Amino acid sequence: RKEVEQDPGPFNVPEGATVAFNCTYSNSASQSFFWYRQDCRKEPKLLMSVYSSGNEDGRFTAQLNRASQYISLLIRDSKLSDSATYLCAVNTAGNTGKLIFGQGTTLQVKP
Amino acid sequence: EADIYQTPRYLVIGTGKKITLECSQTMGHDKMYWYQQDPGMELHLIHYSYGVNSTEKGDLSSESTVSRIRTEHFPLTLESARPSHTSQYLCASSDSGRTNYGYTFGSGTRLTVV
Repeated sequence: RKEVEQDPGPFNVPEGATVAFNCTYSNSASQSFFWYRQDCRKEPKLLMSVYSSGNEDGRFTAQLNRASQYISLLIRDSKLSDSATYLCAVNTAGNTGKLIFGQGTTLQVKP
Repeated sequence: EADIYQTPRYLVIGTGKKITLECSQTMGHDKMYWYQQDPGMELHLIHYSYGVNSTEKGDLSSESTVSRIRTEHFPLTLESARPSHTSQYLCASSDSGRTNYGYTFGSGTRLTVV
């Protein structure tokens, strides 16, 4: 079993839709969680950190469920420009700072 | 604008050549990383460094080597390039004092070995 797992998709949604992705992790001692966005043939860029109490940034909401060991990303009012691959990242135990990335979930927003 | 730079952006090179991929960051981050990513595939950690003179191999076996003589510089070297090394190589850095900031990635080097 991979340490960090995501449904690769693709998720095809119409503009304006709400879409949610989950990411499960296996190490219960993990402390830091992130969502990255990666456009085709580009580098990953940090979208948002995920805090224990959940956090929101505009149309994006991130949640952490420690009991079930997953994080989620909710995108409201999808835009064409949201089309990308979304990577979750989880730190390894011991606060070494080393992140393990999921394989990514691809989102395609259609007109 | 990211303050981590990778050169070259693209490289096509013949089999057997020695190559060095450059990565520099101006953020004073103590930790640096090299990832390998094939198109449409996940990131694989191949090397990391927690500071000057510290280097470790990552989760994916790689024939490349790295060095960290200066905080800001983390070059990756392939002594003898092979077609199987064709991939995108991404450098990243992070600050151990700011773990909630995650990694900052460079723009990557797309390597093709012919």
